[in-house]
Amino acid sequence: DGGITQSPKYLFRKEGQNVTLSCEQNLNHDAMYWYRQDPGQGLRLIYYSQIVNDFQKGDIAEGYSVSREKKESFPLTVTSAQKNPTAFYLCASSPLLPSPLHFGNGTRLTVT
Amino acid sequence: QQQVKQSPQSLIVQKGGISIINCAYENTAFDYFPWYQQFPGKGPALLIAIRPDVSEKKEGRFTISFNKSAKQFSLHIMDSQPGDSATYFCAASREGAQKLVFGQGTRLTINP
Repeated sequence: DGGITQSPKYLFRKEGQNVTLSCEQNLNHDAMYWYRQDPGQGLRLIYYSQIVNDFQKGDIAEGYSVSREKKESFPLTVTSAQKNPTAFYLCASSPLLPSPLHFGNGTRLTVT
Repeated sequence: QQQVKQSPQSLIVQKGGISIINCAYENTAFDYFPWYQQFPGKGPALLIAIRPDVSEKKEGRFTISFNKSAKQFSLHIMDSQPGDSATYFCAASREGAQKLVFGQGTRLTINP
């Protein structure tokens, strides 16, 4: 089955710790994305990548970092510099736009 | 310029009724307008999409209406069913930009 796998589904961390969220796709899509979802604020773009070893900042990149060493993988690190990291994080992939985004089922991160 | 404004934030409709969700944009360079449906705990999934060269697109009970001069587009769900209860997002992108801009989302509840 082709799709996007995000792991883990739930993640708990102490304040001040960095944490990495996993995203893997087997759809052979060129582009991958990370979105953050908060109630009432829709989906906000953190980072996106159109090709291996290249990525661009989205609208809310501060406090986050990414890498794209393989076409299939686009991990997101939430650093201790992110002031309000508790949120639902969604990874997506697509062929180059305009094409549908395929989303994973998200990782809910709670930082206390 | 990059925003997509979505309304209402929440909507309650009786079973069998028509659900209508509206979106407005400012950037006239936008040329791809998808709608996504999201169930609790899941990632969004593409529902239907439209390009500005048509004023309406219908897929089953779901219809997108597009008004280029008003810079508005809307989703109509005919004969709404309890299974349609979900959060709906409109989005937009422009040619050459490999990212979608999402609206704030509408939580739709269909009462049986």
